[in-house]
Amino acid sequence: RKEVEQDPGPFNVPEGATVAFNCTYSNSASQSFFWYRQDCRKEPKLLMSVYSSGNEDGRFTAQLNRASQYISLLIRDSKLSDSATYLCVVNEGGGFKTIFGAGTRLFVKA
Amino acid sequence: DADVTQTPRNRITKTGKRIMLECSQTKGHDRMYWYRQDPGLGLRLIYYSFDVKDINKGEISDGYSVSRQAQAKFSLSLESAIPNQTALYFCATSDPLQGGNEKLFFGSGTQLSVL
Repeated sequence: RKEVEQDPGPFNVPEGATVAFNCTYSNSASQSFFWYRQDCRKEPKLLMSVYSSGNEDGRFTAQLNRASQYISLLIRDSKLSDSATYLCVVNEGGGFKTIFGAGTRLFVKA
Repeated sequence: DADVTQTPRNRITKTGKRIMLECSQTKGHDRMYWYRQDPGLGLRLIYYSFDVKDINKGEISDGYSVSRQAQAKFSLSLESAIPNQTALYFCATSDPLQGGNEKLFFGSGTQLSVL
């Protein structure tokens, strides 16, 4: 079993749609959680941290369920510019033990 | 100017050649990392360094070595490149924060092709 698993997609959605990505992690001792965005052949960039209480940043909402070891990202009112790969990232503490999921590819079409 | 700069951006080399990838940062972070990314796989850690005198192997260090020349510089070497080291390589930095919510800042990447 992979340490961090994501549905690779691709997800093909029309502009304005709501889309959700899921991610599961295997280490129950994991301490911090993130979603990164990566455009094709570019560097990953932090999209948002994920907190236990859930958090929102504009059209993006992240949720964490520690009991189920599950993280989600919801994108509302999708834009063409949201087309990218979304990486689920889990840190097991100490900085060096950061595990990346393989990413979920999103295509938003006009 | 980018906070984390990698050179070169692209490199094509032949099997058996020695290659060095450079990384420099202006963020003032102590922690630096080298990752590789292959299609369909998550980023995998090659080496990391928490300060100038600290070097640690990551998940896939075989065939690689690193040098931390200064707080701002961290280079990755392939002593004798082989084709399965063809990948997209990223340097990253981080700054430890209270609560363990440590974020990574990446360079633009180096696409390495070994023929």
